[in-house]
Amino acid sequence: GENVEQHPSTLSVQEGDSAVIKCTYSDSASNYFPWYKQELGKRPQLIIDIRSNVGEKKDQRIAVTLNKTAKHFSLHITETQPEDSAVYFCAAAPNGNNAGNMLTFGGGTRLMVKP
Amino acid sequence: EAGVAQSPRYKIIEKRQSVAFWCNPISGHATLYWYQQILGQGPKLLIQFQNNGVVDDSQLPKDRFSAERLKGVDSTLKIQPAKLEDSAVYLCASTPWRGTQYFGPGTRLLVL
Repeated sequence: GENVEQHPSTLSVQEGDSAVIKCTYSDSASNYFPWYKQELGKRPQLIIDIRSNVGEKKDQRIAVTLNKTAKHFSLHITETQPEDSAVYFCAAAPNGNNAGNMLTFGGGTRLMVKP
Repeated sequence: EAGVAQSPRYKIIEKRQSVAFWCNPISGHATLYWYQQILGQGPKLLIQFQNNGVVDDSQLPKDRFSAERLKGVDSTLKIQPAKLEDSAVYLCASTPWRGTQYFGPGTRLLVL
């Protein structure tokens, strides 16, 4: 099955700096890579996703890059703000499941943005 | 649109007791997932339904966990009997065909 590794487990940055979270996956059949943000006690919420036919995707201060050859993808947050503080999860899903995207999640990164 | 609903939000039970969780997905979402999220870890998929059929339950501990989705809408997840290591947040998610997974607020289970 798929295995997703995520690093670092914790990340502390100063407000205004950039934050980068990296994930690797094992199953070359995976082709869908979402990122979720989870605030304390809240549900995971999708912030951005990328499919394997695209190398990079950007949405305002958030960008995701994908390297299918190396089987890794990264989340980039620029101009970080205190409200970006949360746990971020990457995930991967293969294309083989006809019923939808069976996500395998990474272990999470706790991002702390210091004002 | 209304989001994924789950109940109860919190449950405290003693080991060896039984517990059930309920999920109502977003209207029209054919695919429903149950995840277990242990504190400090990412969600782990337990079971996936497509309408009222099971697509994958390979990670569901079937000796104690069961799930059903009668009529292809609401779903229940049951644990019987519960163990200490079942303490976790149980998340339900739904999605249209191959779309984004939307999560419910989760049920926080504590087994004493």
